[in-house]
Amino acid sequence: GDSVTQMEGPVTLSEEAFLTINCTYTATGYPSLFWYVQYPGEGLQLLLKATKADDKGSNKGFEATYRKETTSFHLEKGSVQVSDSAVYFCALPPMDSSYKLIFGSGTRLLVRP
Amino acid sequence: EPEVTQTPSHQVTQMGQEVILRCVPISNHLYFYWYRQILGQKVEFLVSFYNNEISEKSEIFDDQFSVERPDGSNFTLKIRSTKLEDSAMYFCASSSTRSTGELFFGEGSRLTVL
Repeated sequence: GDSVTQMEGPVTLSEEAFLTINCTYTATGYPSLFWYVQYPGEGLQLLLKATKADDKGSNKGFEATYRKETTSFHLEKGSVQVSDSAVYFCALPPMDSSYKLIFGSGTRLLVRP
Repeated sequence: EPEVTQTPSHQVTQMGQEVILRCVPISNHLYFYWYRQILGQKVEFLVSFYNNEISEKSEIFDDQFSVERPDGSNFTLKIRSTKLEDSAMYFCASSSTRSTGELFFGEGSRLTVL
């Protein structure tokens, strides 16, 4: 079935470091792809999305490019801030007649000053 | 900006007690969901609700769970007889469409079962 695999965390970086969080997916067809973020004590919120192959989603300095040849959607940021400390979830939309968003296991990012 | 609100933010209950978690979805959304997250673990789908009925539920959503939309604004999750393993953060979400994957989540209700 459809699934999402994310790199294990936690990822610990110093402020201004470069961030990559890997995400690969298994799905039939070419679905949209999402990154959600969960800041401490908060619910999940959509960070960015890409709707088709080679699309780049971007928001708040984060980027992710939809690569169908490698079935990947890695999240990147050139210079992280302490405020980026959160858990990041890669996700697939509901497939076929399902209503269920398919989340990866989440990657915790800790940015130190 | 419209948002999904949840109450209570934290509830502590004894095993075997009934719990009701409440949510107010975004007003023009049509699809409603409950997810849960056991501490430090994956976000798990529980149930979706559309057109006043359950549209999909997971294996977790057994007979101890029920959902209701008692009026035009609230969406509730009831756990009839709580178990220790029900301790988790419960997130309500809503969306305007089914298939786009763009859900709006509340801040969660933390349930602690003693």
